[in-house]
Amino acid sequence: EAAVTQSPRNKVTVTGGNVTLSCRQTNSHNYMYWYRQDTGHGLRLIHYSYGAGNLQIGDVPDGYKATRTTQEDFFLLLELASPSQTSLYFCASSDSEGNSDYTFGSGTRLLVI
Amino acid sequence: GEQVEQRPPHLSVREGDSAFITCTYTDPNSYYFFWYKQEPGASLQLLMKVFSSTEINEGQGFTVLLNKKDKRLSLNLTAAHPGDSAAYFCAVRGNYAQGLTFGLGTRVSVFP
Repeated sequence: EAAVTQSPRNKVTVTGGNVTLSCRQTNSHNYMYWYRQDTGHGLRLIHYSYGAGNLQIGDVPDGYKATRTTQEDFFLLLELASPSQTSLYFCASSDSEGNSDYTFGSGTRLLVI
Repeated sequence: GEQVEQRPPHLSVREGDSAFITCTYTDPNSYYFFWYKQEPGASLQLLMKVFSSTEINEGQGFTVLLNKKDKRLSLNLTAAHPGDSAAYFCAVRGNYAQGLTFGLGTRVSVFP
């Protein structure tokens, strides 16, 4: 079954810490996305990619890096985590067709203390 | 860029009644429209996607209406039941954009 798998499910880190969130999709989709979800803000796009080695900036990219190592794997990097990055992070994938469905992972809850 | 306003932020309805959620968007080039349901602690579940040529779509227990003239997208949960208690999000994307722009969500509570 096609899926998007995120890890870890929960993460706690200290301010200034280094965090990597992982996402793997088995949908054979070209596009992958990282969103953060916060109360009062809904879901906001951080970065996305249309293929291995490609990276596109989303709407709230500050403080985040991302890397797409293969078609399947997309990573979100927080190199100097701050409390403002405490959030629920979702990865998603989609095909390049406009009417493509977006498949979301189960989310990673990050707490920066 | 695209902005999506979703109303109301909270909705409490009696079981069997309807729940109506509306999103308005700003970009006339928006072409694809989505409704997602998110139960507590869970991921986003696609309810329906609607394209520019579609105005009304009926799903299982809900109806989606698209009015491109008014740039308005609506979700009507008909005969709500406790399983409908969740957060609902609309999302919009343009023909040449890739990421989705989400509304802020509506938290629906269905009480007996």
